[in-house]
Amino acid sequence: KQEVTQIPAALSVPEGENLVLNCSFTDSAIYNLQWFRQDPGKGLTSLLLIQSSQREQTSGRLNASLDKSSGRSTLYIAASQPGDSATYLCAVGGYQKVTFGTGTKLQVIP
Amino acid sequence: EAGVAQSPRYKIIEKRQSVAFWCNPISGHATLYWYQQILGQGPKLLIQFQNNGVVDDSQLPKDRFSAERLKGVDSTLKIQPAKLEDSAVYLCASSVEANYGYTFGSGTRLTVV
Repeated sequence: KQEVTQIPAALSVPEGENLVLNCSFTDSAIYNLQWFRQDPGKGLTSLLLIQSSQREQTSGRLNASLDKSSGRSTLYIAASQPGDSATYLCAVGGYQKVTFGTGTKLQVIP
Repeated sequence: EAGVAQSPRYKIIEKRQSVAFWCNPISGHATLYWYQQILGQGPKLLIQFQNNGVVDDSQLPKDRFSAERLKGVDSTLKIQPAKLEDSAVYLCASSVEANYGYTFGSGTRLTVV
């Protein structure tokens, strides 16, 4: 059974800081890994999707990496802004099954 | 490309009442998912459809929850009767095929009082 862990559960940083969010998973037989952002009371917005054959994906100030052998993914946010405040979830895609982590709640302080 | 549409956005019901949620996935997406997200937790898969067939409903409380996807397009999720612990956000997502990335709807926030 796949287990997905996100540490820390909450993070507070000053505006402008670079930061890394972590996602670890127990079963390396995955198809893909997806990072989402969730604002309070809203649905999930996809940020980056990394297929199992890829090592990283980039979009603007976001960079996600994947290391299947060690069961880890990181989401790097450069030059954080108050608008980045949200909960960030990783979702690990296995064969016809996706397992979510419990998220990291990020607060960027102006 | 239109996103995943869900309705209603909010619903408040009394326990033991019934409620239904609707989802319209992105056109052409064969796979549709219903998730339950309780406050402070990650989403939990309730049911996964591939076209109009059920792929996984192992975590669906079948004594009170039911879901269907007629003609492999729209889907409805029903709770009857509702319990207090069903208070959560119900998220619908779709993907081109299983093992591809998801697109989520805005969710329906259910409060059972």
